[in-house]
Amino acid sequence: DQQVKQNSPSLSVQEGRISILNCDYTNSMFDYFLWYKKYPAEGPTFLISISSIKDKNEDGRFTVFLNKSAKHLSLHIVPSQPGDSAVYFCAASTAGGTSYGKLTFGQGTILTVHP
Amino acid sequence: DAEITQSPRHKITETGRQVTLACHQTWNHNNMFWYRQDLGHGLRLIHYSYGVQDTNKGEVSDGYSVSRSNTEDLPLTLESAASSQTSVYFCASSEQEGTEAFFGQGTRLTVV
Repeated sequence: DQQVKQNSPSLSVQEGRISILNCDYTNSMFDYFLWYKKYPAEGPTFLISISSIKDKNEDGRFTVFLNKSAKHLSLHIVPSQPGDSAVYFCAASTAGGTSYGKLTFGQGTILTVHP
Repeated sequence: DAEITQSPRHKITETGRQVTLACHQTWNHNNMFWYRQDLGHGLRLIHYSYGVQDTNKGEVSDGYSVSRSNTEDLPLTLESAASSQTSVYFCASSEQEGTEAFFGQGTRLTVV
């Protein structure tokens, strides 16, 4: 059973426009959410995160929104740049207890930003 | 700079052979993890460790084992490689109470 789902395998946007990547989760015990970016032949790199006590976190061009009631989060990239073209993974964790660093990942969304 | 390195980067092995993938980190992180990436599944947790002599099974641990004899290393062993274990393997580490994991560059393993 996939507890974290990214239902869009791919997304194509024009340079300068907004990219919106979506993620849904089913496990209500998740209380910390992360986005990772992955280029081919490289490991995932941490992009941005959000705690369940917040509904928005911003870092430069990247903003993550969390809707706990809908069990949904999204990553907004504004403005999109060709260098943002990569696979984006949504991940979730239960931050406390004995689960530090244990991440449950979505399937990934391939973002392509066209010049 | 501190880092996490995996070796080898690419490996081809035969069915039934024992294979060990190395992971070494210089951050002095207590937490270390092994994931595999497969199309349609994202990354799935194989094994993890929260310190020396501590190992735990993850979501897809069958056919794999790990050992933690020091802080820096968490080798992943495939006891008897199977074609279903053809995948890209990622090692990761995080701080004691940290949630953000830092990943190595991956090892592409092909079992023929």
